Amino acid sequence: GAVVSQHPSRVICKSGTSVKIECRSLDFQATTMFWYRQFPKKSLMLMATSNEGSKATYEQGVEKDKFLINHASLTLSTLTVTSAHPEDSSFYICSPRITSETQYFGPGTRLLVL
Amino acid sequence: KNEVEQSPQNLTAQEGEFITINCSYSVGISALHWLQQHPGGGIVSLFMLSSGKKKHGRLIATINIQEKHSSLHITASHPRDSAVYICAAYNTDKLIFGTGTRLQVFP
Repeated sequence: GAVVSQHPSRVICKSGTSVKIECRSLDFQATTMFWYRQFPKKSLMLMATSNEGSKATYEQGVEKDKFLINHASLTLSTLTVTSAHPEDSSFYICSPRITSETQYFGPGTRLLVL
Repeated sequence: KNEVEQSPQNLTAQEGEFITINCSYSVGISALHWLQQHPGGGIVSLFMLSSGKKKHGRLIATINIQEKHSSLHITASHPRDSAVYICAAYNTDKLIFGTGTRLQVFP
């Protein structure tokens, strides 16, 4: 199956710092990348959709200036949580899409903001 | 009411039991995914269905488009099947996720 990597797998940071999460598709190219967050025992919540080379589309209620998404190439997308606060602590998952209905999921990044 | 509902929310079983997890949706869909999420968090796509039935090893997934219902079956369940199972429906180019079914299989 398709391989998706996320780095780091877990990160602890101080409040006010910025954290960058990288998502790579290792054996395929993805024109579309979805970024989700998941709170404990809750379902995945779509944060934003990005297409390679263009600006991301954010879901309602997601601050675009706080969650910066860059999709510079077909194999790499990054999510930067700027000025992180404890309420940003969550599990972040990237999900590249190959075809209109075929999506893969990264292993996730667990962020803890102290 | 969620657009994608799963039942049961929690399920425990003895090793070897046959397991069924149900998913109902209220929106039009082009396809439905069954996903598995292990305690570490990683998500694996088990099936993508748009009609009928698919089988992979001990896992079987069915979908009834008219009734807007899908089921995931696990035959001869094993402790390593313990995970959260999530159905997700494709609607207007995005996945809508169910709340998941937490399965624990005991030896």
